Amino acid sequence: RKEVEQDPGPFNVPEGATVAFNCTYSNSASQSFFWYRQDCRKEPKLLMSVYSSGNEDGRFTAQLNRASQYISLLIRDSKLSDSATYLCVVNEGGGADGLTFGKGTHLIIQP
Amino acid sequence: DAGVIQSPRHEVTEMGQEVTLRCKPISGHDYLFWYRQTMMRGLELLIYFNNNVPIDDSGMPEDRFSAKMPNASFSTLKIQPSEPRDSAVYFCASSRPGGPNQPQHFGDGTRLSIL
Repeated sequence: RKEVEQDPGPFNVPEGATVAFNCTYSNSASQSFFWYRQDCRKEPKLLMSVYSSGNEDGRFTAQLNRASQYISLLIRDSKLSDSATYLCVVNEGGGADGLTFGKGTHLIIQP
Repeated sequence: DAGVIQSPRHEVTEMGQEVTLRCKPISGHDYLFWYRQTMMRGLELLIYFNNNVPIDDSGMPEDRFSAKMPNASFSTLKIQPSEPRDSAVYFCASSRPGGPNQPQHFGDGTRLSIL
């Protein structure tokens, strides 16, 4: 059974702080990893892909730890607009049928 | 460019009625996905199509659910008869050719309430 686990939160973080959360996956054969962002009552939107060597996009850094089977998302200098639910997505490869979404981590940035 | 278009945005109906949800994927995307999202179960993949052909429907909860994709620009998800436990947000998503590394683009979703 495919399992993608996330801490549901909420994470309450003051504006300007750095926050990080992880996502664990159960299938060691998983090949592709993504972070999606979902605002309240909106659709999920791709935030960033996660590459083996780790990658950065502005204030966001994503990392993959294959040995421990988790991916992480770090947000620096958090903004009020970062408040959202962050969904971890794992694809086991070989087609789209291995795509599994975590239930998300709810982040609240407080002024 | 137009994104994934879903209709209706909201649907409220009584149990036992037939419900039809519609989706227009992004032009040029050859994968189309139907998801259901609830607080309890999160986002669940129901079925997906590649080049209009259903590839995996193992996520479809039961025979009351059916999905079709008659052409590259249109898909439907039908529930007949509907039950209160079907209440959820239903998302359609599409992605480009290229397999698992391609991100999925979601529509705005249909909020379905079965009374």
